[in-house]
Amino acid sequence: EADIYQTPRYLVIGTGKKITLECSQTMGHDKMYWYQQDPGMELHLIHYSYGVNSTEKGDLSSESTVSRIRTEHFPLTLESARPSHTSQYLCASSESGKNIQYFGAGTRLSVL
Amino acid sequence: GESVGLHLPTLSVQEGDNSIINCAYSNSASDYFIWYKQESGKGPQFIIDIRSNMDKRQGQRVTVLLNKTVKHLSLQIAATQPGDSAVYFCAEIPSYSGGSNYKLTFGKGTLLTVNP
Repeated sequence: EADIYQTPRYLVIGTGKKITLECSQTMGHDKMYWYQQDPGMELHLIHYSYGVNSTEKGDLSSESTVSRIRTEHFPLTLESARPSHTSQYLCASSESGKNIQYFGAGTRLSVL
Repeated sequence: GESVGLHLPTLSVQEGDNSIINCAYSNSASDYFIWYKQESGKGPQFIIDIRSNMDKRQGQRVTVLLNKTVKHLSLQIAATQPGDSAVYFCAEIPSYSGGSNYKLTFGKGTLLTVNP
């Protein structure tokens, strides 16, 4: 089992609200990732970080932002949630020099 | 552009049978592939990986085969059990962006259902 945690697991929120999805890992991994996954579909990379103070946008454009102030913490923020943001958000991490990514259980977001 | 896809979106097998899940990829320069298992309500879980300099790798009850000639990847599960029911994703790391690339590109997934 990978030690990577996401909170909340489920979130139902109204349009226009600001939200932050939390992701923490206790493995000391340098690299962290955020993916967006619609039901029954593949994962799309929206953000990644190769270390503290390093963040990059992924392959899928997203209105969310991320920060990496501490190695173990990689929160994702939506300033103004919209129904189009309804999806599952998965956080992952990997060890320096290794390709295997370990995933959290995900946050299922519903914006009404 | 580069893509990773699966031949079959669903696969139904009887308990105890062997399962074969297929994946096609288009980037011939990709040098690393991973299979993940995702159960309902959970994040993807690593199953097995393989590098492009290999054509076969075995794990516990699982085998991954890589055919670079036809750009095809398969996951074989021996003696499939009800606990194997999940969505299986293949993913690749395209090597076009150099050795420092650790970004995975995921395929669409296959839903495996194991009937008792």
